[in-house]
Amino acid sequence: DIQMTQSPSSLSASVGERITITCQASQDISDYLNWYQQKPGKAPRLLIYDASNLAIGVSSRFSASGSRTEFTFTISSLQPEDTATYYCQQFETLSTFGGGTKVEIK
Amino acid sequence: EVHLVESGGSVVRPGGSLRLSCVVSGFTFDDHGMSWVRQAPGKGLEWVSGINWSADDTGYADSVKARFTISRDNAKNSLHLQMNSLRAEDTALYYCVRNKDGSYEQALDVWGQGTMVTVSS
Repeated sequence: DIQMTQSPSSLSASVGERITITCQASQDISDYLNWYQQKPGKAPRLLIYDASNLAIGVSSRFSASGSRTEFTFTISSLQPEDTATYYCQQFETLSTFGGGTKVEIK
Repeated sequence: EVHLVESGGSVVRPGGSLRLSCVVSGFTFDDHGMSWVRQAPGKGLEWVSGINWSADDTGYADSVKARFTISRDNAKNSLHLQMNSLRAEDTALYYCVRNKDGSYEQALDVWGQGTMVTVSS
């Protein structure tokens, strides 16, 4: 099974700050990696697909990169509405989510 | 507008069975793979199972393999999850999710609101 290790598990940053989340795969998954945002009490929302492609309607504040086993997700200028939990997901073999990163405003 | 509406969640005793359903509208159902993703209270997301557009390819998480069965009826725009031998650790909100293309090994681009399954004696 492919394991996804996400870090940090939580972070607190100021409005306007740049934040980065990392996701590490236990084996080579090429670019079969997606990122999701989940706000409290809501269903998740696809932000980034195939490691670096912005989903339709998603703000350009969000970006991501990486391949094989190391991936990063960045919010260039943190906004209050970005308060949420973010998850990575591999789909190279079946599917596995990372443990999530809870992002809060300082 | 795209809609995915789950049903079938309830309280069930350990060892019991439950069948979840998801009816979709607003898109061509048989263009897409479909998946079930669950979230235990206060926990993260767990992919449970997926099925491709033509129902000839399915996949399961190890935690549910041999207990759960995914199926779809393209004529009725519906997705199902038959859950047998339920355990307390299956307690979760179950989301019906559309895959981005015909495979279930793909991005999850449209989510339902979920149906709650509680396994308790």
